[in-house]
Amino acid sequence: KQEVTQIPAALSVPEGENLVLNCSFTDSAIYNLQWFRQDPGKGLTSLLLIQSSQREQTSGRLNASLDKSSGRSTLYIAASQPGDSATYLCAVHNTDKLIFGTGTRLQVFP
Amino acid sequence: GAVVSQHPSRVICKSGTSVKIECRSLDFQATTMFWYRQFPKQSLMLMATSNEGSKATYEQGVEKDKFLINHASLTLSTLTVTSAHPEDSSFYICSARDLRRFSTDTQYFGPGTRLTVL
Repeated sequence: KQEVTQIPAALSVPEGENLVLNCSFTDSAIYNLQWFRQDPGKGLTSLLLIQSSQREQTSGRLNASLDKSSGRSTLYIAASQPGDSATYLCAVHNTDKLIFGTGTRLQVFP
Repeated sequence: GAVVSQHPSRVICKSGTSVKIECRSLDFQATTMFWYRQFPKQSLMLMATSNEGSKATYEQGVEKDKFLINHASLTLSTLTVTSAHPEDSSFYICSARDLRRFSTDTQYFGPGTRLTVL
């Protein structure tokens, strides 16, 4: 059974710091991995999707990497801003389902 | 493109009543829709997968008679919480996918529905 874990569970940093959020999964047979952002009481916004054959994806200040063999992905946020404050979820796609991680609650203060 | 809406965004009901939540794909045809449940400060848990015109496939531990899912058209799926109880209070999120249109197996998520059962 696929299990997805995210570390840390919560993170509070001053504005401007570069951040690394971690995601690990137990079954490496995945189709892709996706990072989402969720604001309080809201739905999900897709940030980056990495296919199983890819190593990383970049969008603006965000960079996500994928190492299937070790069952790990990282989301790198450069020059963090207060507007980045949200919960970040990773999800792996295998056997036709998305399995979500436990999430990292990020707070960036001015 | 690829917008998914949910209605209502928020609902409060009395214990014992039934509540229907709608999920619509606004600009694409969703061959598959998914329903998730999220408890406070927890992750999303898949409840069921529904393909248009077929019966929904429920995840282990999800009562199909309590959470009725209908996917009668390519743009609409409904989740009905029957005889709701306070423990059913949660955030329900749907997602939709169209493998015929999108080359990547991407799910597009709705904004969620907050259900509170008194």
